[in-house]
Amino acid sequence: QKEVEQNSGPLSVPEGAIASLNCTYSDRGSQSFFWYRQYSGKSPELIMSIYSNGDKEDGRFTAQLNKASQYVSLLIRDSQPSDSATYLCAVGGGHAGNNRKLIWGLGTSLAVNP
Amino acid sequence: DVKVTQSSRYLVKRTGEKVFLECVQDMDHENMFWYRQDPGLGLRLIYFSYDVKMKEKGDIPEGYSVSREKKERFSLILESASTNQTSMYLCASRTERESADTQYFGPGTRLTVL
Repeated sequence: QKEVEQNSGPLSVPEGAIASLNCTYSDRGSQSFFWYRQYSGKSPELIMSIYSNGDKEDGRFTAQLNKASQYVSLLIRDSQPSDSATYLCAVGGGHAGNNRKLIWGLGTSLAVNP
Repeated sequence: DVKVTQSSRYLVKRTGEKVFLECVQDMDHENMFWYRQDPGLGLRLIYFSYDVKMKEKGDIPEGYSVSREKKERFSLILESASTNQTSMYLCASRTERESADTQYFGPGTRLTVL
């Protein structure tokens, strides 16, 4: 059973702090990793994708991938109240290179307090 | 920008009714997906289509069917709606022209079955 696990939270951080969200996955052959943000009542929107080990930065967001340890994380610097949402981790490309389907975590709820 | 639209944001149906949910994407994507999302259960794949007239069952296909007669349109059908199908339904699409697995979501349909 391929799995993606996230701490459900809620993760509460003060405005301006760094929020750190973590995700582990079970399929060692996974090749692609995504972070989606989902506001309450809305659909998920892609904020970061990462495919190789290391860090990838985009504005206030940094995704970190460690394939040996099978985890991927998302750092949000200078957190803002507008970052309050559920963050979904999704993993793809594992098992015989099936790139079509993603395996989804249940999401981590983030609350940024003014 | 990728645009995925869904026929309704909110829908209320009665038990036993036949329900059609439609999804349209304007980016010539080959793959389209139907998910349902429930609190505590995350995103669960119902069906996906990798090309016109092609479909594959996801994790929870029971009680649902799909139709993809044109590349841009993917329909989800509830043959006889039941109260346990009350949920948020999300459509997504993805291209096979790139190696990335990124899925782009529509706004979702909140279905209530009474």
